[in-house]
Amino acid sequence: AQKVTQAQTEISVVEKEDVTLDCVYETRDTTYYLFWYKQPPSGELVFLIRRNSFDEQNEISGRYSWNFQKSTSSFNFTITASQVVDSAVYFCALFNAGNNRKLIWGLGTSLAVNP
Amino acid sequence: DTAVSQTPKYLVTQMGNDKSIKCEQNLGHDTMYWYKQDSKKFLKIMFSYNNKELIINETVPNRFSPKSPDKAHLNLHINSLELGDSAVYFCASSLTSGPHEQYFGPGTRLTVT
Repeated sequence: AQKVTQAQTEISVVEKEDVTLDCVYETRDTTYYLFWYKQPPSGELVFLIRRNSFDEQNEISGRYSWNFQKSTSSFNFTITASQVVDSAVYFCALFNAGNNRKLIWGLGTSLAVNP
Repeated sequence: DTAVSQTPKYLVTQMGNDKSIKCEQNLGHDTMYWYKQDSKKFLKIMFSYNNKELIINETVPNRFSPKSPDKAHLNLHINSLELGDSAVYFCASSLTSGPHEQYFGPGTRLTVT
């Protein structure tokens, strides 16, 4: 079965703190893709990153970084020096071609960055 | 130039009514989706169309009927609305039905009273 677990329901930090959002996935496929999306309070869903199962290199984009570890089936997301504008719900999702070609979504982690 | 647009943004209606939500994308994508997001933010795929052909049809009451007149448009018609249909409905599109990023519309907040 395919599954995405975001164990942290809510996280609250103070501005400038670093914060890591956890994502653990389950799949039997060897080829799969992992995604992160952001949903700010305004409501729209914004794509952040896609990773395929053959590329375990960590990715950094500004203050955002992603750590993909197949050994632990995790694809964690770190925000460095968090800002109030980072406050949002963050979703991790899994896609594999054998799963009716749809994204399996985690339940999301609500991040509040306080001034 | 909005990439994925939905109308209306808000919809308030009474139980038993029929309503439609429209979605259009100008990205030239082949695949479009309807998602339902409940009050706990859980995202549930409802339908997906690839080039006007239905490819995903999740366990959704048959009161919900999608229609794709062309690959740039995907509408959702809901018959006999129930209280439990209250949610935010998102339309999305992607390049193909493969593992591409999905671009989401702004959402339609449906409230059934």
